[in-house]
Amino acid sequence: DTAVSQTPKYLVTQMGNDKSIKCEQNLGHDTMYWYKQDSKKFLKIMFSYNNKELIINETVPNRFSPKSPDKAHLNLHINSLELGDSAVYFCASTFWTGNYGYTFGSGTRLTVV
Amino acid sequence: DAKTTQPPSMDCAEGRAANLPCNHSTISGNEYVYWYRQIHSQGPQYIIHGLKNNETNEMASLIITEDRKSSTLILPHATLRDTAVYYCIVRVPNQGGSEKLVFGKGTKLTVNP
Repeated sequence: DTAVSQTPKYLVTQMGNDKSIKCEQNLGHDTMYWYKQDSKKFLKIMFSYNNKELIINETVPNRFSPKSPDKAHLNLHINSLELGDSAVYFCASTFWTGNYGYTFGSGTRLTVV
Repeated sequence: DAKTTQPPSMDCAEGRAANLPCNHSTISGNEYVYWYRQIHSQGPQYIIHGLKNNETNEMASLIITEDRKSSTLILPHATLRDTAVYYCIVRVPNQGGSEKLVFGKGTKLTVNP
């Protein structure tokens, strides 16, 4: 049973296209995150949601729009893709209260050509 | 953003203990120290966390100094599968009461046969 699953695993697309990445967790967590890992391997937080409410919105271009239809799902839609968007995107989840660790998905490798 | 300092790389012989140091001299009294690892572009994996006391679980032990300015992650019997980048993270609060994990550069641990 996959705890945090992301789809697709790989995504190759052309500049200017619009694409979505989906994330689902079956851990009963109420808080979910999107992280971006660039070619230099730095992991940076992008967004977080708690019970469908946007909590963290880091300095991310507004071409990136997260959506959380329910607390088990967090999707990321990217408009007008640019070469610099190429990265691995990780979804993570945890409980809002307490000091629990995050559970990460296996990532979506996005390549913009 | 990261408030921790780790050596960029370390080597360890298979079967020996791996001791990974981390400095977090500006840690606040209510901030926890978390350790994660990332094996070759997989999603980061939670290892252990602690506040003041030493902690142990099935994966590792965490030793935190009395002044809490540094800590050491111990893998008691390292295996080749422990080769990964290890991240020491101080959990910082964010707006709205949410907390986020801020990843630094980590330590690349190589376990040699």
